[in-house]
Amino acid sequence: AQSVTQLDSHVSVSEGTPVLLRCNYSSSYSPSLFWYVQHPNKGLQLLLKYTSAATLVKGINGFEAEFKKSETSFHLTKPSAHMSDAAEYFCVVSLSYNQGGKLIFGQGTELSVKP
Amino acid sequence: DTGVSQDPRHKITKRGQNVTFRCDPISEHNRLYWYRQTLGQGPEFLTYFQNEAQLEKSRLLSDRFSAERPKGSFSTLEIQRTEQGDSAMYLCASSSHRPASGRAGSANEQFFGPGTRLTVL
Repeated sequence: AQSVTQLDSHVSVSEGTPVLLRCNYSSSYSPSLFWYVQHPNKGLQLLLKYTSAATLVKGINGFEAEFKKSETSFHLTKPSAHMSDAAEYFCVVSLSYNQGGKLIFGQGTELSVKP
Repeated sequence: DTGVSQDPRHKITKRGQNVTFRCDPISEHNRLYWYRQTLGQGPEFLTYFQNEAQLEKSRLLSDRFSAERPKGSFSTLEIQRTEQGDSAMYLCASSSHRPASGRAGSANEQFFGPGTRLTVL
């Protein structure tokens, strides 16, 4: 069965410092993994996706994530946090397209950015 | 704006009433998904359509819930005899039938609407 575990429910960083949001996955086959961001009162927006083309995935707004099969991890990083990064972040694993493609979300990590 | 719209954005209703939500996906997308998100949790899958066919329903979708996509375009989600536990954000997403890059059969990106927030009093 597919699942994801986000290891931190809340992360707080200072503006200009690095961001690390941790995610471990469980999958019986090579997974498709995503990170989505949800700003208050706004819809979910895709940050980046991994579909086996490259283990280091670059996304929007300076975010990137590295797929590590040996560690079953897909952590999200950003070198320097900006105030506008404050939001809820979801690590997501997907069933394959032929299996319906439904998304399985982690519990979410709330990122706070202090000035 | 992802191109997926939902209506209404907010709905307040009394327990026992029926409510209906609408989702308009990106026009060329053949798949449409419904998810439910309660406070402090990640979204959970409810059901999905490929064109007009409803192909899977979660066990979360009790018999009070029904979804349709009559012409393979917009979709509606109806909740009958609402209960306070139905209070949540209802999210709609759509995806393309074209194969995703990277691997044949890999999952496609889903584009989410802004959601409908339901409050049952």
